Parts: sequence; C-alpha cells; structure tokens
Amino acid sequence: GAGVSQSPRYKVAKRGQDVALRCDPISGHVSLFWYQQALGQGPEFLTYFQNEAQLDKSGLPSDRFFAERPEGSVSTLKIQRTQQEDSAVYLCASSVPGVRQPQHFGDGTRLSIL
Amino acid sequence: SQQGEEDPQALSIQEGENATMNCSYKTSINNLQWYRQNSGRGLVHLILIRSNEREKHSGRLRVTLDTSKKSSSLLITASRAADTASYFCATDAGTGRRALTFGSGTRLQVQP
Repeated sequence: GAGVSQSPRYKVAKRGQDVALRCDPISGHVSLFWYQQALGQGPEFLTYFQNEAQLDKSGLPSDRFFAERPEGSVSTLKIQRTQQEDSAVYLCASSVPGVRQPQHFGDGTRLSIL
Repeated sequence: SQQGEEDPQALSIQEGENATMNCSYKTSINNLQWYRQNSGRGLVHLILIRSNEREKHSGRLRVTLDTSKKSSSLLITASRAADTASYFCATDAGTGRRALTFGSGTRLQVQP
C-alpha cells in the first residue's frame, strides 16, 4: 500500500515568492499533521487536521503560513512572501484517530529560499 | 521549541554492540514514542510507551520510561549497520492534544 506522499521533494524559491507544498495521506487516515524540521533538529509541529477541520494551528509561526484540507484528504501548506528563515524540510504525517496511534510520515519537501 | 534534549547527540559503535540513547522532556505526558529517520527520509515509528508503563520491548528494542525524572531511554541490542540513522523521542501532552513534541535527536552510526 502507498505511504504518505509529498510533492515536490525539493523546492527552491526566491525570497518574497509564494510556495505551495502538497501532501497525500494514507488512504483512510483522517488525521493529518504538518511539521517543520530545521537542519540537525527534530521536527516542530505546525498544524493538525481531523478530516477537513483544522483543529490545531498553534504551531504556525506567522500569518504567512496557511494550511488547508478542503475535502478531508489531500492537504496543502502554503507559505506567502517567503523569507530565508522558512528554509527547512516540511514533513507531513497521517494517522488513524487516537492519541496512541503512530504517525506515518512522508519523506518531506526540502524548501530552500534564496 | 523542542520539548527536551537527547543524549548523546551523536553515537558511533561497532556492529554487534548495544546502543543506548536517552531523552529528557519537560512537561507531563500521555505517551512517549521513539522514531527513527534515515538521511533524507521521513520518520518511522518504532515504539510507544504509555505514561503508566515503565518498560517495553519490541524485537531488539527496549524502552524505559521514568516519569518522576521525565526521562526515557532507548536500547538497541546487537546493532547492525542498517540501524544507522537519527533517533528521536516524541511526546504528546497530557491534554489529549495530538501534536507531537520531538527532541533534538541522536545520530547513531553503526560501523560494519
């Protein structure tokens, strides 16, 4: 079965451009998470969806970051007016409901802002 | 911000040796999980231990949890070159919130 798929794998953008990162979760997984991972660090939570509802967006670092999951499946993380400090790997994870359920991660999108 | 620290930051051992990694965290938790990450890849779930458990085993993995010290350890026995990866502990808050808070990771190198 397919795992979590993220695209693109690599994205280079100039400072000030907008970017959109896509996540295809495992089929049937209602929970979807976005994390940001800086080089040499552990992932940091950005936001969480249950189906199409964004239940937690406490980790989004600024109003330039926006995430959506309109049909409860594919999710898009959008970053507007990118800045150099946005350079990182953006990881998406999905799971079935429940706090003791493991999260299944995609391989991430490596974003570089020039 | 990171929940806590992992110790050591890097560890290099020979194949067949045991590897022990430690994790400390700051707040009350429901569960603690360990994940591994190969270079350039996503994280893979290894094991989960509940806050009311003290020890758990899975294959060559042994995890301990000491909630009074807010610490956990991951032991990999009889290591293999394929175990080379970064290992992260992750906690979820006692509020039922689904977000995971990760440590800074231990980079394990197993020499063949």
